[in-house]
Amino acid sequence: GAVVSQHPSWVICKSGTSVKIECRSLDFQATTMFWYRQFPKQSLMLMATSNEGSKATYEQGVEKDKFLINHASLTLSTLTVTSAHPEDSSFYICSAPWYDEAGQGEQYFGPGTRLTVT
Amino acid sequence: SQKIEQNSEALNIQEGKTATLTCNYTNYSPAYLQWYRQDPGRGPVFLLLIRENEKEKRKERLKVTFDTTLKQSLFHITASQPADSATYLCARTGAGSYQLTFGKGTKLSVIP
Repeated sequence: GAVVSQHPSWVICKSGTSVKIECRSLDFQATTMFWYRQFPKQSLMLMATSNEGSKATYEQGVEKDKFLINHASLTLSTLTVTSAHPEDSSFYICSAPWYDEAGQGEQYFGPGTRLTVT
Repeated sequence: SQKIEQNSEALNIQEGKTATLTCNYTNYSPAYLQWYRQDPGRGPVFLLLIRENEKEKRKERLKVTFDTTLKQSLFHITASQPADSATYLCARTGAGSYQLTFGKGTKLSVIP
């Protein structure tokens, strides 16, 4: 199956600093990628849709100036958490859709990045 | 808004039995329902997808059903094993959309 990687797998940063998380599709091209956030014992909440070559689409309540998304190539999307605060501590997961013959399909998820802001 | 509800937070079953997990949706029928497995500290892994016009889908020990009358999908694991212990997530997508809306998940524990 398709493989999506994320880097780093975990990161600890100080309050006020910025952190960049990378999401790569390793064996397929992804014009669209999704970024999710998951708090402990909660489900995945979609933050934004990353589109190659154009601006990301953010879900309601997600600050686009705080969570910068860049999808510069067909295999790489990055999420930068700017001026991080302790409440941004969470598990960040990216995904990319894999299309079947009907043009719809499942999504392949990265292993996630655990962000802790101290 | 379209919601996905997995009413059981946790389910414990004996090894060898069939585990049945429930997923209910509100409002109009999604084009697809998908089931994912998530282990602690890991991203979800795709298991099965069922389309609105399909009643049942199988893959090895897994079976998923889609009942548009009840607005419900059931996910079955037959001959369950301790290695099946994980959180199982149900998600919906609409026609022409790649976005997933997830339920909260059901944590399955298979007891030896």
